[in-house]
Amino acid sequence: DTGVSQDPRHKITKRGQNVTFRCDPISEHNRLYWYRQTLGQGPEFLTYFQNEAQLEKSRLLSDRFSAERPKGSFSTLEIQRTEQGDSAMYLCASSLGGDEQFFGPGTRLTVL
Amino acid sequence: AQKITQTQPGMFVQEKEAVTLDCTYDTSDPSYGLFWYKQPSSGEMIFLIYQGSYDQQNATEGRYSLNFQKARKSANLVISASQLGDSAMYFCAMREGGSNYKLTFGKGTLLTVNP
Repeated sequence: DTGVSQDPRHKITKRGQNVTFRCDPISEHNRLYWYRQTLGQGPEFLTYFQNEAQLEKSRLLSDRFSAERPKGSFSTLEIQRTEQGDSAMYLCASSLGGDEQFFGPGTRLTVL
Repeated sequence: AQKITQTQPGMFVQEKEAVTLDCTYDTSDPSYGLFWYKQPSSGEMIFLIYQGSYDQQNATEGRYSLNFQKARKSANLVISASQLGDSAMYFCAMREGGSNYKLTFGKGTLLTVNP
C-alpha cells in the first residue's frame, strides 16, 4: 500500500494558463475527495467522487474547474484560465466508505 | 457561523509534557464524526483520531486522546508526553451525517514543542 499520491507536487504557471493535477487514491478506496488549502487556513472541500460518479461540487468550484475520475481509479483536477487567486495547495483524499480519509502530499500551485 | 472553531492559533509545550488543543463545533445533525489531523511542514495531512457522535467513550490512539464533551460541543485533542516531532499544525474536522462524508476543517493550531 503506497498511500495516496499526487502529481505534480509543485506547479508554477502564468495567469491565464491551464493546469491539470492528478491524484491516485489507495487502490481499494471507492471515495475520492479534492480539497483546497490556502495559507493559514484549513482545507476546504471542492468535490467528491464515489467510484466514477461525481456526487457533489462545492460552490468554490467555479466553471473554470473540472474534475474527473473516469474509471473509478485515479482522478484529475483541471483549472482553466488560471487566476492568481487559484494559488493554493490542492489536496486529494480517499476513503473506503465512510471511514477516515487518507490524504496525499498535495500539489502546490503558484500562479504568477 | 463557523462549523469548527479552533481558538488557539499557536501553542507551546515543553517536551514530555501533555498539551490540550481546543476544538468546538456547531451542527444540528445528530449523526456526525469528529477528526483530528496533523499537518507537518511537509504539507501532508496525517489522520490522528476519530470520535463518532454516538460513541459513549472518549477515543484514544496511543499518545492521542479526544476529550469529547457532547453537551458543550467540544472535542479537544490531548497529546501526552509531547515529542519534538509533534511540532506541526493540528486541524480539527467534522463530518456531518448527510454530507457525503466531506470534512469541514477548522483553521488549525500550530503546536511547537520545546526541548
